[in-house]
Amino acid sequence: EVQLVESGGGLVQPGGSLRLSCAASGFTFSNYWMSWVRQAPGKGLEWVANIKQDGSEKYYLDSVKGRFTISKDNAKNSLYLQMNDLRVGDTAVYYCAKDRGRADDYWGQGALVTVSS
Amino acid sequence: EIVLTQSPATLSLSPGERATLSCRASQNIGDYLVWYQQKPGQAPRLLIYNAFFRATGIPARFSGSGSGTDFTLTISSLEPEDFVNYYCQQRSDWPITFGQGTRLEIK
Repeated sequence: EVQLVESGGGLVQPGGSLRLSCAASGFTFSNYWMSWVRQAPGKGLEWVANIKQDGSEKYYLDSVKGRFTISKDNAKNSLYLQMNDLRVGDTAVYYCAKDRGRADDYWGQGALVTVSS
Repeated sequence: EIVLTQSPATLSLSPGERATLSCRASQNIGDYLVWYQQKPGQAPRLLIYNAFFRATGIPARFSGSGSGTDFTLTISSLEPEDFVNYYCQQRSDWPITFGQGTRLEIK
């Protein structure tokens, strides 16, 4: 059974940093692209970043480029999102997802990130 | 950036009726269109990928169609649990983008 479990969310002040983790199990993690998608309170879904199987390609939403870094550790079956210089507008539930190839077929339960002073 | 426009924003129907949800892309995306369903407080669930392929475990009442710029998600006979939110997503080019969503509500 595929499982994705996010952790690391919380309350942070504007300008602060957080690192989200996503522990994956039930599939061969090293064979898949992975995604981060976020959802602000009461709003729609917004793609944040994707990373290739071996980490050699990464893509980002323009508004997070230079502030967020996606990475994966295939030995630990884990996906990460390092978020620096956080802004109030980054407040959202962050989901990690397994990319089956042009679609995200499994999603974690989400981690809430709140940026507020 | 490819913009996806979903319509209507809210669709009011009764159980047993047929639902037709639309997603229009600002440029040709081939068949790289995905549909997700999201229930309140839950993560999204993959319904349809590559415009018309049903994901594993998705009931046959859900179907997708379209190519290029115009896409449709059809629910042939609405069940009570179908009255939630639906999002389309394009996977043709970076950045990946979502539509703003359609809320399906009970009439």
